[in-house]
Amino acid sequence: KAGVTQTPRYLIKTRGQQVTLSCSPISGHRSVSWYQQTPGQGLQFLFEYFSETQRNKGNFPGRFSGRQFSNSRSEMNVSTLELGDSALYLCASSLGSGGPNYGYTFGSGTRLTVV
Amino acid sequence: SQQGEEDPQALSIQEGENATMNCSYKTSINNLQWYRQNSGRGLVHLILIRSNEREKHSGRLRVTLDTSKKSSSLLITASRAADTASYFCATAYSGYSTLTFGKGTMLLVSP
Repeated sequence: KAGVTQTPRYLIKTRGQQVTLSCSPISGHRSVSWYQQTPGQGLQFLFEYFSETQRNKGNFPGRFSGRQFSNSRSEMNVSTLELGDSALYLCASSLGSGGPNYGYTFGSGTRLTVV
Repeated sequence: SQQGEEDPQALSIQEGENATMNCSYKTSINNLQWYRQNSGRGLVHLILIRSNEREKHSGRLRVTLDTSKKSSSLLITASRAADTASYFCATAYSGYSTLTFGKGTMLLVSP
């Protein structure tokens, strides 16, 4: 059974640019969550999607957006990149619709560096 | 913030010793989960304990939950160098469909 796949693994962007990150969950998992991890703030929740609907959004500016497709694959987009957006972006998939009642399976992450 | 807090922030032990990490949280939970992260990679789910459970075991891992104190502990017995990683507790708060992570404990196990 394939795990959670995140692409790309590494990305270097310039301030002001935009970026799109992709996540393919485990087959059969319909819930996808995104987290930003930085040394200072730890793991911060970005969004959670279930069946193409955003169920929750974390406390991030509107430059951060996401979506989920009918095949459960998800993308997140960050526009007008700032240096502080440099982080490891993690995607996690989960079985079920009732919230995190099961463990999350994480991808290896996308390391974004903004210069 | 509803973020859980792990204690200690860092722990250094010798192979064969036991490692204990603690997690405190703030409001009612449905469950509490522990994850491991090696060197900036993705997190790996270790164990989930529900709010009506007090103790759970998985191999060399033992997790306890005290809902009256809003705290949990993770015990790794007979540690190995391969256990070197960061360990995070994550809480599933009642009424929320997301997991909230603490800042983690960095465990170093020396041969």
